[in-house]
Amino acid sequence: AQSVSQHNHHVILSEAASLELGCNYSYGGTVNLFWYVQYPGQHLQLLLKYFSGDPLVKGIKGFEAEFIKSKFSFNLRKPSVQWSDTAEYFCAVNALRNYQLIWGAGTKLIIKP
Amino acid sequence: DVKVTQSSRYLVKRTGEKVFLECVQDMDHENMFWYRQDPGLGLRLIYFSYDVKMKEKGDIPEGYSVSREKKERFSLILESASTNQTSMYLCASTQPSYGYTFGSGTRLTVV
Repeated sequence: AQSVSQHNHHVILSEAASLELGCNYSYGGTVNLFWYVQYPGQHLQLLLKYFSGDPLVKGIKGFEAEFIKSKFSFNLRKPSVQWSDTAEYFCAVNALRNYQLIWGAGTKLIIKP
Repeated sequence: DVKVTQSSRYLVKRTGEKVFLECVQDMDHENMFWYRQDPGLGLRLIYFSYDVKMKEKGDIPEGYSVSREKKERFSLILESASTNQTSMYLCASTQPSYGYTFGSGTRLTVV
């Protein structure tokens, strides 16, 4: 069965630090990959997605993610975080049938001002 | 922009009550989903639907049912609410080559 692992449940950084959130999935075939963000008190929003092409994907608010097929990974990065990036981040991988997504458990990111 | 609207933001119900959670999307999406979100457990799929009157069980369907009589509306039904169904419920819709669009969620408390 497909699964998605997010390495850290909680990450605490200072402003201007660099960020990398890990995401690994288990599926050998073609995948579509997503990162979603949920700011405190708000609904889930799409941050970025990968379907095909350039494995380095740029999303909103300065985030990017790199798809490394050989490592089954899709890590999220940002070179310099801001206090407003405090949120929960979810990695997701699509299943082949009916666009069902398999979700990671989420990573809570706390940025200290 | 696609909008997914959930009828209630907060809901408090008594144990044993039948509860209806409504979700409406305005972009003619074929696929709609109901999730529950609990701390430390992420998002867990309850049911999804890929067409009118079509539904499939997700990972945790027990105690829930769904209805999709019209393409834009996907309802989640708790047949007899229990305290372990206290949670945040999220509805989403999607089309091919697009990510999910989520509603703002319904925080249900069962007392």
